[in-house]
Amino acid sequence: EIVLTQSPATLSLSPGERATLSCRASQSVSSYLAWYQQKSGQAPRLLIYDASNRATGIPARFSGSGSGTDFTLTISSLEPEDFAVYYCQQRSNWPPFTFGPGTKVDIK
Amino acid sequence: QVQLVESGGGLVKPGGSLRLSCAASGFTFSDYYMSWIRQAPGKGLEWVSYISSSGSSIYYADSVKGRFTISRDNAKNSLYLQMNSLRAEDTAVYYCAGYSTAVRYFDYWGQGTLVTVSS
Repeated sequence: EIVLTQSPATLSLSPGERATLSCRASQSVSSYLAWYQQKSGQAPRLLIYDASNRATGIPARFSGSGSGTDFTLTISSLEPEDFAVYYCQQRSNWPPFTFGPGTKVDIK
Repeated sequence: QVQLVESGGGLVKPGGSLRLSCAASGFTFSDYYMSWIRQAPGKGLEWVSYISSSGSSIYYADSVKGRFTISRDNAKNSLYLQMNSLRAEDTAVYYCAGYSTAVRYFDYWGQGTLVTVSS
């Protein structure tokens, strides 16, 4: 089973700042990695798939990069609605599909 | 618009059973692979089970194998999860999620249904 780790666990930033979130896989997942956003009390929403492709309707301030074992989600300038928990997920070697433990982006 | 609506959650005693349903609309359900993904209170996401568009391929997480059964009825645009021998650690919000062949990730999600296993 591929284990995903995310860092930091919590990121405290102000609106307008840049957010950089990390996801590391226990073995190579090539580019088969996605990022999801989950706001409090809501279902997750797909943001980025295959490491760097924005899903339908996702604003350009969200970008993803990386391959192999190290991946980054960048939010170029935080909007108030971006404060949420972000999860990475791999589909390189499944079952099982695995998710990272999440990074919470909260308001500083 | 796309909708996935789960139902069937509730309070059940350890060892009991529950059947979750997910009603799909706004997209071609029979084209989508589907999964159940759960989230324990205050915790992260855990994939539970997957079923292919035709129902011919099915997979389970080790934590539920032998206890849970996923199924679908494409004529009714519905996904199901039969949960038997429930344990306290199965307590979670259960989401149904659509996995498109184009994107190959979970791009459609329901709002979730809470299952609580407690005596």
